[in-house]
Amino acid sequence: AQKVTQAQTEISVVEKEDVTLDCVYETRDTTYYLFWYKQPPSGELVFLIRRNSFDEQNEISGRYSWNFQKSTSSFNFTITASQVVDSAVYFCALRNAGGTSYGKLTFGQGTILTVHP
Amino acid sequence: DGGITQSPKYLFRKEGQNVTLSCEQNLNHDAMYWYRQDPGQGLRLIYYSQIVNDFQKGDIAEGYSVSREKKESFPLTVTSAQKNPTAFYLCASSLLARTATMNTEAFFGQGTRLTVV
Repeated sequence: AQKVTQAQTEISVVEKEDVTLDCVYETRDTTYYLFWYKQPPSGELVFLIRRNSFDEQNEISGRYSWNFQKSTSSFNFTITASQVVDSAVYFCALRNAGGTSYGKLTFGQGTILTVHP
Repeated sequence: DGGITQSPKYLFRKEGQNVTLSCEQNLNHDAMYWYRQDPGQGLRLIYYSQIVNDFQKGDIAEGYSVSREKKESFPLTVTSAQKNPTAFYLCASSLLARTATMNTEAFFGQGTRLTVV
């Protein structure tokens, strides 16, 4: 069985603050993928990043950065200098690589981020 | 434009009625998925299909049915057996991973909000 836990249900920050969204996962597979998605008020999920279990290199994309630590089964997401447009629900998700589970995602419960001007 | 189209955006169902949610994709993806989103619960997998004329139950399939007669289309029927159908429904598609390292992130539609009246 696999599980994704996002500890923070809601986070509220003021614009320009840095904010970190936590994600902890459980899986028995040795090869898997981790994802972050953003859900703006319009409803669709927007893909942000995919990380393979065999690549622990952290990644930075503009104001977004991701810290993958296999030893603690965590895949945290940091937004630097937050902006009002970052307000959304953010989901962490896990997919195993083998068997018949191709493409099936297990989602965390989501973190509602509100950035105030 | 390539993408996933869900219709309608809002749907109202009377008690005891079956309703069908439409999902069409023009991304030439093999796999398609239906997820249900409830407040504070993340997304849960209802059904998925990896190939035409074949589909599998997800974690919460009871009270739902699907068909996959064409690669582009994966409609979801919410039957009267689904006791609590009010939710936000998201359809997704992805390439089918034929190797463990293949890029298969899911792309999502804009969702259908179903309300029982």
